[in-house]
Amino acid sequence: DTGVSQDPRHKITKRGQNVTFRCDPISEHNRLYWYRQTLGQGPEFLTYFQNEAQLEKSRLLSDRFSAERPKGSFSTLEIQRTEQGDSAMYLCASSPGTGETEAFFGQGTRLTVV
Amino acid sequence: AQTVTQSQPEMSVQEAETVTLSCTYDTSESNYYLFWYKQPPSRQMILVIRQEAYKQQNATENRFSVNFQKAAKSFSLKISDSQLGDTAMYFCAFMKPQGGSEKLVFGKGTKLTVNP
Repeated sequence: DTGVSQDPRHKITKRGQNVTFRCDPISEHNRLYWYRQTLGQGPEFLTYFQNEAQLEKSRLLSDRFSAERPKGSFSTLEIQRTEQGDSAMYLCASSPGTGETEAFFGQGTRLTVV
Repeated sequence: AQTVTQSQPEMSVQEAETVTLSCTYDTSESNYYLFWYKQPPSRQMILVIRQEAYKQQNATENRFSVNFQKAAKSFSLKISDSQLGDTAMYFCAFMKPQGGSEKLVFGKGTKLTVNP
């Protein structure tokens, strides 16, 4: 399968714990995005990478959130000291680059903070 | 900042019939893209159709077509000959191209149910 892959698919954690999600984009896609989707809402942009450089972060991305894309391939999103309000679906998407407008999405990681 | 509004939280249609989903947006940009994405239950979001703002002709992809009214900032999706597999959440999205992240700004979505 050459689509966008996210791991894990589901994560249940206790409030205050740290969690890390992984995204493997489509090979050769330069652009990688993280979005958050809460119940009844559309996805909201969190952050964007062009290769290994994190070029844009939403104000939604508090200092408890950090994202990396160390070699310009896979990316990780870490949430420290999770709160119940962090419960959401975290979506990763990738696209080839400027001029190619279609974003390809993974199936997401559903986080539940109890 | 751009905003996207989908005023129909839920809709239903009988199989083989036609349904139209509404979307309005707000922007001061003149060049942009609009999209409809489909999110089936427990599956990833996929692109249904896209429209470039500078193109006057409405985009069409098989049973899916759009009615793009740039002056009214309206971008509706028409699904003809609805099929059971069309049951999904549908999201309208806006993107400003070139020189930035080209991130998507989504509406809240419309849950479409196709009934047999």
